[in-house]
Amino acid sequence: DAGVTQSPTHLIKTRGQQVTLRCSPKSGHDTVSWYQQALGQGPQFIFQYYEEEERQRGNFPDRFSGHQFPNYSSELNVNALLLGDSALYLCASSLFGAGGEKLFFGSGTQLSVL
Amino acid sequence: QQQVKQSPQSLIVQKGGISIINCAYENTAFDYFPWYQQFPGKGPALLIAIRPDVSEKKEGRFTISFNKSAKQFSLHIMDSQPGDSATYFCAATPDAGNQFYFGTGTSLTVIP
Repeated sequence: DAGVTQSPTHLIKTRGQQVTLRCSPKSGHDTVSWYQQALGQGPQFIFQYYEEEERQRGNFPDRFSGHQFPNYSSELNVNALLLGDSALYLCASSLFGAGGEKLFFGSGTQLSVL
Repeated sequence: QQQVKQSPQSLIVQKGGISIINCAYENTAFDYFPWYQQFPGKGPALLIAIRPDVSEKKEGRFTISFNKSAKQFSLHIMDSQPGDSATYFCAATPDAGNQFYFGTGTSLTVIP
């Protein structure tokens, strides 16, 4: 049973560019959440998608946007990259209504902005 | 504003010793308190979790102690092993289906 898979694992971009990160949830899960983890910090909630809609959003600017597809996979898009966007981006999947016990994280995408 | 405060930032323990990590929160709406373990290059993995209706939960060598009145909770790792060396995060959420608020993490090193 494949867990949460994210791609790519590493990415290097330049300031001002745009980036798309991808996530496939664990089999049987229908909800995807995205977190940003800066070096030496805990994960910070970006947003959550369920039924192809953004259900909740953390304190992140509109440069951060997402999408969920009918197969429950998801994308995170970041426009106009800043140096401060360099971080590990984590995708977590769960089954809507099942509670936090079913929250599984992927290994993340390490984004470096130069 | 950090919703969940975690300490210490780093911890070094001898093999067989007890590792203790503490967290505190302010939001009384928080209703679910998980601990996550993260190894380098990996995402966080759920270790153990507790809800505020109980004061303690034990799973193997891992125990959560919860003090609702003090708004504090802690992770105890008994008989710590070198394989436990990792970064540990406490978290809290008002609803287990909602966003999680994470602490800043504790880097644990268990010396053989």
